[in-house]
Amino acid sequence: AQKVTQAQTEISVVEKEDVTLDCVYETRDTTYYLFWYKQPPSGELVFLIRRNSFDEQNEISGRYSWNFQKSTSSFNFTITASQVVDSAVYFCALSEDILTGGGNKLTFGTGTQLKVEL
Amino acid sequence: GAVVSQHPSWVICKSGTSVKIECRSLDFQATTMFWYRQFPKQSLMLMATSNEGSKATYEQGVEKDKFLINHASLTLSTLTVTSAHPEDSSFYICSATSGGLYTDTQYFGPGTRLTVL
Repeated sequence: AQKVTQAQTEISVVEKEDVTLDCVYETRDTTYYLFWYKQPPSGELVFLIRRNSFDEQNEISGRYSWNFQKSTSSFNFTITASQVVDSAVYFCALSEDILTGGGNKLTFGTGTQLKVEL
Repeated sequence: GAVVSQHPSWVICKSGTSVKIECRSLDFQATTMFWYRQFPKQSLMLMATSNEGSKATYEQGVEKDKFLINHASLTLSTLTVTSAHPEDSSFYICSATSGGLYTDTQYFGPGTRLTVL
């Protein structure tokens, strides 16, 4: 069975600090997909990134970067120079491979509440 | 692209009434839509998966007669909470995904907050 663990329930940082959100996953599949979503106070989940299991190249998008380490089953998310607008709950999620068209189920972690203060 | 809307964004109803929530994919055809509920400070719990033109698949423990799902077209799915009770009060979120090579990204709607009095 799939499982996603986000051990950090809540993180508080001061603006401009860097912060890393941890995500550890479990799956028996060799092909799978990992995601990060942001849920601001408004409630809508915002898609941030999708990574498949064969692509271990780290990715950077502006102040966001992701470190995928298959050897440790981790997919960590770093925000550089955090801003107050980054305050939100961040969810890591996992889905297994699908060979037919259509989406597949997501297994979500419990989320990490990030608070960025002035 | 990949915009999903939900209507209404919030609803308050009396116990015993039914409430319908709509989920629409605005700029893509959604072959599959998902319905989640989320309690305060908790993660998302998948309720059911619906494919256009077929019956929804419900997760274990979710009453299909209470939570009616209809995926009538490639851009619209509805969730009807029948005979709602206060314990049904929650945040309901839908997501949608399209067919194609990269089918696994779910795009989420803004959610519907249901309060049952």
